Amino acid sequence: EAGVTQFPSHSVIEKGQTVTLRCDPISGHDNLYWYRRVMGKEIKFLLHFVKESKQDESGMPNNRFLAERTGGTYSTLKVQPAELEDSGVYFCASSQVGTSYEQYFGPGTRLTVT
Amino acid sequence: QKEVEQNSGPLSVPEGAIASLNCTYSDRVSQSFFWYRQYSGKSPELIMSIYSNGDKEDGRFTAQLNKASQYVSLLIRDSQPSDSATYLCASDVGSSASKIIFGSGTRLSIRP
Repeated sequence: EAGVTQFPSHSVIEKGQTVTLRCDPISGHDNLYWYRRVMGKEIKFLLHFVKESKQDESGMPNNRFLAERTGGTYSTLKVQPAELEDSGVYFCASSQVGTSYEQYFGPGTRLTVT
Repeated sequence: QKEVEQNSGPLSVPEGAIASLNCTYSDRVSQSFFWYRQYSGKSPELIMSIYSNGDKEDGRFTAQLNKASQYVSLLIRDSQPSDSATYLCASDVGSSASKIIFGSGTRLSIRP
C-alpha cells in the first residue's frame, strides 16, 4: 500500500512569491491533515479535512495560507505571498475515519523563503 | 496553552540496554497519546499509541501512561543502533476531534 506522498520535496522561493504544496493521502483515508515544523520548534497543526470539508483550520497562521481538497482526494496548500517566516517543513498526514488520531505522515516539503 | 514537554536530549544509551524516554502533558482532558520516531530528514513514523493507564507492549517497545501524573513514557528494550532517532511524544487536544499536539522531541543515540 502506498503511503502519503507530497510534492515537491523541496521548494526555494523568494519573498512575495506564491508556492503550492500538494499532498496525496493513503487511499481510502478520509482524514487529511497539514502540519508545519519551523526551525527548532515542534510540529504544529495547521488544519484538518474530512473528505473535502475543512473540519478544523484553527492552526492556519493567517490568510496568506489557503488549503483545498477538491473531490476529497489530494489536497493543496498555497502560500501567497510567501514571507520569510513561512520557511519550514510542511507535513501532510492522513488517517482513516474512526482512527483519526493514528495519523500517517508524508515525507514533507521543505520550503525555504529567501 | 496546552503543551507536551520532552527533554530534548541527546540521550545516549549503550547498545543492548534499555532506553527510557519521558514526556509530560498539560491538558488533563487528553485521552490519546502517541510516540513517533523520526529519522533525520524523514517523516515522523507512528510506533506506539496508548489510551489507557498502564503499560502497552509491542515487540521491544513499551509505552506507559499515568493520567494522574500526566506522564507518558516509552521504553525501548535491547536498544539497537537503528533505534537512533528523534522520538516525538504527542497527545490529542481534548477540545478537538482530531488535532494532535507534539512535543519538540528527544534525540536518542545508541552507542555500539
